[in-house]
Amino acid sequence: SAVISQKPSRDICQRGTSLTIQCQVDSQVTMMFWYRQQPGQSLTLIATANQGSEATYESGFVIDKFPISRPNLTFSTLTVSNMSPEDSSIYLCSVERRASGGQGKTQYFGPGTRLLVL
Amino acid sequence: AQTVTQSQPEMSVQEAETVTLSCTYDTSESDYYLFWYKQPPSRQMILVIRQEAYKQQNATENRFSVNFQKAAKSFSLKISDSQLGDAAMYFCAYRDYGQNFVFGPGTRLSVLP
Repeated sequence: SAVISQKPSRDICQRGTSLTIQCQVDSQVTMMFWYRQQPGQSLTLIATANQGSEATYESGFVIDKFPISRPNLTFSTLTVSNMSPEDSSIYLCSVERRASGGQGKTQYFGPGTRLLVL
Repeated sequence: AQTVTQSQPEMSVQEAETVTLSCTYDTSESDYYLFWYKQPPSRQMILVIRQEAYKQQNATENRFSVNFQKAAKSFSLKISDSQLGDAAMYFCAYRDYGQNFVFGPGTRLSVLP
């Protein structure tokens, strides 16, 4: 498995401000993923972050709104910019690890950051 | 595009009984992986079980097992001897070798004492 921590675990923010979420992994990984989970919904991929290159954003998400940094192989940040109440969600960091006892990879998730925008 | 469907928004099971959660998916790929994740009220997403599509044998993890029907594109999760701690949202997920990772809408499982 993978040990993934996120900071902050939760926050309440004012409209128009920005919040940076940190994700730390216990060992080096090539790809890190950021997901959003809106209340009562499933997970939606925001972007994929590779170390040393620009993040790849999914349809509906743009870099100006969700800038991502990936300074090394164990750390990434996601910023939610110019927040509105519609950004209230849980934001999850995720990594892939080769599955033990089998081939292929498995995706593991951090504990999430619960964001409420007033 | 790949899709994952979970037709049961909510399910309940009596403690110690067995429950099956349904999942179907759509893909044109022949090689892929399927997962069941559990998300309890703490919101931590926990991997329950995974299945490689090339394997005919159904994956099992203690009380959790799957019924993988590749031709039918079905991937159900069976929880045996249900425990109160099994109460959570359960998400079925698909991942192909192109790194497309798709989650289903989830099934909320309640365990009744």
